[in-house]
Amino acid sequence: GAGVSQSPSNKVTEKGKDVELRCDPISGHTALYWYRQSLGQGLEFLIYFQGNSAPDKSGLPSDRFSAERTGGSVSTLTIQRTQQEDSAVYLCASSLGATGELFFGEGSRLTVL
Amino acid sequence: AQSVTQLGSHVSVSEGALVLLRCNYSSSVPPYLFWYVQYPNQGLQLLLKYTSAATLVKGINGFEAEFKKSETSFHLTKPSAHMSDAAEYFCAVSEGQAGTALIFGKGTTLSVSS
Repeated sequence: GAGVSQSPSNKVTEKGKDVELRCDPISGHTALYWYRQSLGQGLEFLIYFQGNSAPDKSGLPSDRFSAERTGGSVSTLTIQRTQQEDSAVYLCASSLGATGELFFGEGSRLTVL
Repeated sequence: AQSVTQLGSHVSVSEGALVLLRCNYSSSVPPYLFWYVQYPNQGLQLLLKYTSAATLVKGINGFEAEFKKSETSFHLTKPSAHMSDAAEYFCAVSEGQAGTALIFGKGTTLSVSS
């Protein structure tokens, strides 16, 4: 596709369950970002992949959060043992490089009951 | 590490009035600075960016921002607000080739009244 694709668009889960969120970036974009957007908190940086470099995981809020990027393309954000405070919209973005314009996906809205 | 502070979570202006959204940054190297906009029920899109060329940057929809190193600021302005400018605006900073992530501020919601 032409843009960043995220799935699922909506996910409702029970507290304690694991969830996986997928991001398919724009083809050829070397940089991939995950952010979390919740009311009043803006965009909270989670993790950043740039080419073959080690990812910047400094934004992950706890060890329940992890992400991987396979083959420099698709990325999966995994949240283990979900908590209610994990409820938010998870946004993925990609760019051509470290200083390029970020193109955002529509986001995955996670609701933890 | 870089950071961004957006002063004022909500700004209200009348149609035709000046829009001023404030952004201050912190960075250990010359920064790359961005403004993104999120219209209601839409994704984020780039409004403008500063990458060490001209200090006054012009963006889409009549917006512009001026990089002031001495004030560590990158405020967003528009001379005359339009109803369609109502949205949430995010300032962001990157340390560019240092390989660090793009960090966003908490956002400012702009309301425009007729």
